[in-house]
Amino acid sequence: GENVEQHPSTLSVQEGDSAVIKCTYSDSASNYFPWYKQELGKRPQLIIDIRSNVGEKKDQRIAVTLNKTAKHFSLHITETQPEDSAVYFCASQAYSGAGSYQLTFGKGTKLSVIP
Amino acid sequence: EADIYQTPRYLVIGTGKKITLECSQTMGHDKMYWYQQDPGMELHLIHYSYGVNSTEKGDLSSESTVSRIRTEHFPLTLESARPSHTSQYLCASSVTGRSPLHFGNGTRLTVT
Repeated sequence: GENVEQHPSTLSVQEGDSAVIKCTYSDSASNYFPWYKQELGKRPQLIIDIRSNVGEKKDQRIAVTLNKTAKHFSLHITETQPEDSAVYFCASQAYSGAGSYQLTFGKGTKLSVIP
Repeated sequence: EADIYQTPRYLVIGTGKKITLECSQTMGHDKMYWYQQDPGMELHLIHYSYGVNSTEKGDLSSESTVSRIRTEHFPLTLESARPSHTSQYLCASSVTGRSPLHFGNGTRLTVT
């Protein structure tokens, strides 16, 4: 089955700096890569996603890049703000047969933005 | 407002009790999921459903059971709660198997 590795597990940055979180996946058939943000005590929420026919996607201060050859994708947050502090989860989705798609999550990165 | 709702938000029960965690969504999604998560930690898929009368076990072995009699309702039942079941349980739904997940606010379960 799919294996998703996420690094780093914790990340501290100064406010205004950039943050980068990296994930690698093992199943070359994976074709959908969402990122979720989970603030303390709240539910995970989708912040950005990318499909395998696209190499990069940007939404204001957040961008995701995908390298299918190397089987890795990354989340980039620029001009970080204290409200970006949260746990971020990457995920990878592949077709698992019989009309079923399997979503595999990374273990999460705890981002702390220091004012 | 279309959303996914979980009740109760917090639950403290004694060992051996039977409990049902409720999950309902008003978005008309076919796909529904249950995840177990210790706060801020890894998400573990324990059950999922692709439609009415369809349920499957996830990656994490669980002593819980689920049912899907109505599209909007996906309850999770623990027949005999144990302290090892103490965790947060998140319900989620999606339009298709290839769509983003929408999560509920979770039920934080403590078994004493």
